[in-house]
Amino acid sequence: GQQVMQIPQYQHVQEGEDFTTYCNSSTTLSNIQWYKQRPGGHPVFLIQLVKSGEVKKQKRLTFQFGEAKKNSSLHITATQTTDVGTYFCAGPKQNFNKFYFGSGTKLNVKP
Amino acid sequence: DTGVSQDPRHKITKRGQNVTFRCDPISEHNRLYWYRQTLGQGPEFLTYFQNEAQLEKSRLLSDRFSAERPKGSFSTLEIQRTEQGDSAMYLCASSRGTGEGNQPQHFGDGTRLSIL
Repeated sequence: GQQVMQIPQYQHVQEGEDFTTYCNSSTTLSNIQWYKQRPGGHPVFLIQLVKSGEVKKQKRLTFQFGEAKKNSSLHITATQTTDVGTYFCAGPKQNFNKFYFGSGTKLNVKP
Repeated sequence: DTGVSQDPRHKITKRGQNVTFRCDPISEHNRLYWYRQTLGQGPEFLTYFQNEAQLEKSRLLSDRFSAERPKGSFSTLEIQRTEQGDSAMYLCASSRGTGEGNQPQHFGDGTRLSIL
């Protein structure tokens, strides 16, 4: 089963509203990656976090890695219709060879 | 950077048949991953290669699944005696890197398998 859980499963927002998705792992992660998958497309890498408590920003997107390296979040400020898609977190388990993806949060933005 | 290429894009076959998919990773990437994705779920790890060596295989995979990367470049994923439950999108991803640490994975467009 899934080793990495994400909430919420779905989020519908009005354009301009903020959005946050949360990622939780049952085990400590050496690093965490975030991907975006548009409808009908493949996952596209967004960012990687490695350090405990790390925060990284990409324009309107803010990524955070928890102090215990077991959770992470992605926050989008002032959503746009181009933000529509499913956001996945992913991390390695035990070693760097097995990679586990979360269940994803599907974001829909109403114009 | 020509991207990760997968072939075929779609495969429809009858239950019980064997199928083989091909993945051509980005040329300078030595790591290659296979995933399976069903509707509404995240990619599920199947197996991982570093160069030509298959270093990990998911315990979820039955013996009907086998993957190869004979020269450390392209990879094939074969499913023998296909079952209804094998219907899914099969994604290939590649990345740089050796030793510890992870690098961004670049995904192909996938092969959609439909079992009749």
